[in-house]
Amino acid sequence: EADIYQTPRYLVIGTGKKITLECSQTMGHDKMYWYQQDPGMELHLIHYSYGVNSTEKGDLSSESTVSRIRTEHFPLTLESARPSHTSQYLCASLGRRGRGSTDTQYFGPGTRLTVL
Amino acid sequence: GIQVEQSPPDLILQEGANSTLRCNFSDSVNNLQWFHQNPWGQLINLFYIPSGTKQNGRLSATTVATERYSLLYISSSQTTDSGVYFCAVSRNNFNKFYFGSGTKLNVKP
Repeated sequence: EADIYQTPRYLVIGTGKKITLECSQTMGHDKMYWYQQDPGMELHLIHYSYGVNSTEKGDLSSESTVSRIRTEHFPLTLESARPSHTSQYLCASLGRRGRGSTDTQYFGPGTRLTVL
Repeated sequence: GIQVEQSPPDLILQEGANSTLRCNFSDSVNNLQWFHQNPWGQLINLFYIPSGTKQNGRLSATTVATERYSLLYISSSQTTDSGVYFCAVSRNNFNKFYFGSGTKLNVKP
């Protein structure tokens, strides 16, 4: 239902490669987030954005970087992937859908990254 | 940050049973949400409930902000309710959300 997309859904890659995880939303939301989640564990915020050209690091230290050049697009980049980066990465946006609704987070389907 | 504790960590139910999941948080918040993560990893928002009570079908939630806890009730559970339920809170302008470690629910037929 949610209009937020992530690609790729699954990625297996070798150590040292540069990767970019894509996240797009069509809801016009200003606030977007990246979370890292190990299987069965809690979500940790690694980056967030208030809007175009605004990005901040979350509480969990991450070697990844993000950019926000367009409202709808919030990609995450790892310059040199390592096995410790193996995890699921979830993108979310915050806002309203429809009249009378409240500000809630909408999540993409996630990218499962494995670094060999 | 805000500490979020969820209980129980694991729950096994027979189909048709009722359950209560709890979320305690360490500071005042202005946003609290409950999510369900299905076995494929997709997170779906269930409730936005910084205070008060809401109901949606077989699910309902209550947040007592002054006592810093929230409860999620699942009645007449179904196998499709299986997955992990997360509570997430935010304090200031939704800048950061803090998640609990979740309750893993397994509903058996």
